[in-house]
Amino acid sequence: DGGITQSPKYLFRKEGQNVTLSCEQNLNHDAMYWYRQDPGQGLRLIYYSQIVNDFQKGDIAEGYSVSREKKESFPLTVTSAQKNPTAFYLCASSIGQVLTQPQHFGDGTRLSIL
Amino acid sequence: AQTVTQSQPEMSVQEAETVTLSCTYDTSESDYYLFWYKQPPSRQMILVIRQEAYKQQNATENRFSVNFQKAAKSFSLKISDSQLGDAAMYFCAYRSIPSYGGSQGNLIFGKGTKLSVKP
Repeated sequence: DGGITQSPKYLFRKEGQNVTLSCEQNLNHDAMYWYRQDPGQGLRLIYYSQIVNDFQKGDIAEGYSVSREKKESFPLTVTSAQKNPTAFYLCASSIGQVLTQPQHFGDGTRLSIL
Repeated sequence: AQTVTQSQPEMSVQEAETVTLSCTYDTSESDYYLFWYKQPPSRQMILVIRQEAYKQQNATENRFSVNFQKAAKSFSLKISDSQLGDAAMYFCAYRSIPSYGGSQGNLIFGKGTKLSVKP
């Protein structure tokens, strides 16, 4: 079955450490997205990519970095510059700019500070 | 910039009853898309229903229907014959039409409404 796989499910970060969250999709979708979800808040867009080797900053990109070397993969790195990284992170994908098609989401990664 | 407001942080409904979740949005655009997503305790986001702004007819998916009032910028979700499995966070989302030098057409989410279903 096609879908989006996020790993790990839980991740812990030490102070000053960079960590990378994995997102892989086998839906053949062009567009991929990273969201951050905090308690009592809606989803906020971190980064998105409409095509391989290209990505754009979302609303809260500071302290994060991404790469899109393959269509199937869109890893997110939470850098030490992100001072409040504890949150639930969701990856999503969609068929490019076909607007009636929804974004499909992964199961998420919960990141905590040690 | 567009904003999405869900004014009900929490709602409760008796099993088999009907409940309506509210969503309002602010936009100056005439064409756009609206979505309702469900996030159960498993945390995966699941699309419930979608509405194209140019369509006057309200979207319906089985027990889920919307009341889309374009002039009022309102997009409420009605769940009929509520089931225990409907208990979840529900998010309203707005998507504008991408334009050169303007919107990228990304989703804008509200803060969500937590729905509890009582047996």
